[in-house]
Amino acid sequence: DIVMTQSPDSLAVSLGERATINCKSSQSVLYSSNNKNYLAWYQQKPGQPPKVLIYWASTRESGVPDRFSGSGSGTDFTLTISSLQAEDVAVYYCQQYYNTPFTFGPGTKVDI
Amino acid sequence: QVQLQESGPGLVKPSETLSLTCTVSGGSVSSYYWTWIRQPPGKGLEWIGYIYYTGSINYNPSLRSRVTISVDTSKNQFSLKLSSVTAADTAVYYCARVQVGYCSSTSCLNWFDPWGQGTLVTVSS
Repeated sequence: DIVMTQSPDSLAVSLGERATINCKSSQSVLYSSNNKNYLAWYQQKPGQPPKVLIYWASTRESGVPDRFSGSGSGTDFTLTISSLQAEDVAVYYCQQYYNTPFTFGPGTKVDI
Repeated sequence: QVQLQESGPGLVKPSETLSLTCTVSGGSVSSYYWTWIRQPPGKGLEWIGYIYYTGSINYNPSLRSRVTISVDTSKNQFSLKLSSVTAADTAVYYCARVQVGYCSSTSCLNWFDPWGQGTLVTVSS
């Protein structure tokens, strides 16, 4: 299985400041034949299901504010919230879909 | 716009079988792959398995011996059964659609979207 880890476990950021979340996979999720990283980021607010923010490591889902961005390749990835808003308080998960079993990181809680 | 809704008993006794159904609206269950994910209270997400309407199935090895996922195209639903449950199976169970697109060396299945609202299943006597 591909093990996903995230850091930090939680972070508190002032409104308008940058939040950075790291995700690492135990093996590469980059498929060299198409140069795509099989990595998604989800946001989960309290009492709600996860919602996809980013896929292919850096492609923003339609309707997701452009303050959210994803970067990285291979085994190391980053989700950045450039200017934290109150509505961004949530837990953020990375997930690999390179192969089964699909696996998630343990989550990073973002607070104000 | 596709919407998913989980339904089933919220309380299951230990050693019994958990049974949940996901009803798909705004789209056909005969398109796309469909999946189940669970989340124990206050914890992270665990993928359970997926199904395609043709019967193609893949389960998480950690649960394979106890899981059955099926699809009913006439009702536009897919279902989850988890046998011999214990307290460790207490969780919010989500159903979701699997996006399909670029294939890796082993899979053409991509991220999960959309998700149902989830249903809490408690295992207790």
